[in-house]
Amino acid sequence: DGGITQSPKYLFRKEGQNVTLSCEQNLNHDAMYWYRQDPGQGLRLIYYSQIVNDFQKGDIAEGYSVSREKKESFPLTVTSAQKNPTAFYLCASNLRLAPDTQYFGPGTRLTVL
Amino acid sequence: AQSVTQPDIHITVSEGASLELRCNYSYGATPYLFWYVQSPGQGLQLLLKYFSGDTLVQGIKGFEAEFKRSQSSFNLRKPSVHWSDAAEYFCAVGPREYGNKLVFGAGTILRVKS
Repeated sequence: DGGITQSPKYLFRKEGQNVTLSCEQNLNHDAMYWYRQDPGQGLRLIYYSQIVNDFQKGDIAEGYSVSREKKESFPLTVTSAQKNPTAFYLCASNLRLAPDTQYFGPGTRLTVL
Repeated sequence: AQSVTQPDIHITVSEGASLELRCNYSYGATPYLFWYVQSPGQGLQLLLKYFSGDTLVQGIKGFEAEFKRSQSSFNLRKPSVHWSDAAEYFCAVGPREYGNKLVFGAGTILRVKS
């Protein structure tokens, strides 16, 4: 069954802690994306990667970090430098060659206590 | 500034009534255009997309959208809404110079009353 998985579905973190969100895809997609969703603001791009071992900052990269060591995986670390990390985080992927549709995972809700 | 606008934050329609959700963008060349739907606490599901060609696009669940170049719009329509259509709808625009990156509107929450 092809698709994008994100884990965990819910994540709680204490202030000052780093936390890593997992995103895995078995669609053989080249490009992967991380978005942050807040009520009334749509989706905002945090980081994206078009090939392994390469990634670029999106519109709101401050306080976040990523890695892309494998084509299938694109983990996102929310660092203690992120001022307001409580949000819904969505991972997406597609083929590198445009145009192509982005497909989304089910999301991770992060709450900072 | 380049942007994607969904002017309606909330829309309420009666079950069986028609629906139109508006989307306008401000990019120069015709971008790639998408509509996604999201149920609470879930990921986004693609409803339909426009890359080129016929400006009236059919999607899943009985939805359609029309691209109007002169109005920089890509409005989503459904002739008869079902209670299960209640969700949040996002218009997304992919400027051609961005490759496959997308810019999202703020979303429209659809409520269906019986």
